[in-house]
Amino acid sequence: AQTVTQSQPEMSVQEAETVTLSCTYDTSESDYYLFWYKQPPSRQMILVIRQEAYKQQNATENRFSVNFQKAAKSFSLKISDSQLGDAAMYFCAYRSSYGGSQGNLIFGKGTKLSVKP
Amino acid sequence: SAVISQKPSRDICQRGTSLTIQCQVDSQVTMMFWYRQQPGQSLTLIATANQGSEATYESGFVIDKFPISRPNLTFSTLTVSNMSPEDSSIYLCSVLPTGRVAEAFFGQGTRLTVV
Repeated sequence: AQTVTQSQPEMSVQEAETVTLSCTYDTSESDYYLFWYKQPPSRQMILVIRQEAYKQQNATENRFSVNFQKAAKSFSLKISDSQLGDAAMYFCAYRSSYGGSQGNLIFGKGTKLSVKP
Repeated sequence: SAVISQKPSRDICQRGTSLTIQCQVDSQVTMMFWYRQQPGQSLTLIATANQGSEATYESGFVIDKFPISRPNLTFSTLTVSNMSPEDSSIYLCSVLPTGRVAEAFFGQGTRLTVV
């Protein structure tokens, strides 16, 4: 069974600085997706960034980028130029690419990010 | 992408009663899921809602407690039955659109408090 581990329950960053959130996962599959979701107090789950396992290039979305190390099963999120609106709970998630009943996401426990002005 | 309307957004219920949560999607989707998020915790999959057949439940969740319907490709309901305070959680509907789409989309969540 696949597992996702986030070892940082809480992180803090100064506004305009850079922070990295860690995530490791375990799987025997070769093709899968990895995601970072953001959940602000509104409860809405917002996709931050995604990575396809078959792609060697790290995904980037504006201020957000990942460091995907497939052999090490590591998937960290870097937030550059942190903004007050980045404060939220961040979840790392895994999904098999094989579909069927495995189309669901497997989540880590989350990292609560606070941004100091 | 998919736009999801989940209702109600929150409710306070008496123990022993039941609550039905609705999830409406603006387009036909292949897969729909229901997750539970207990206070301060991560998301746990309750079940996969299958169109026209019984839902597929994860270990620890049973149909008598969490009956699910999915009459078509755009709508599903989750009922939390015979509620107890331990059922107080956020319940989220999620969909995986048809085709080779990577990301799942989520409803706004239902915050349930059982008193």
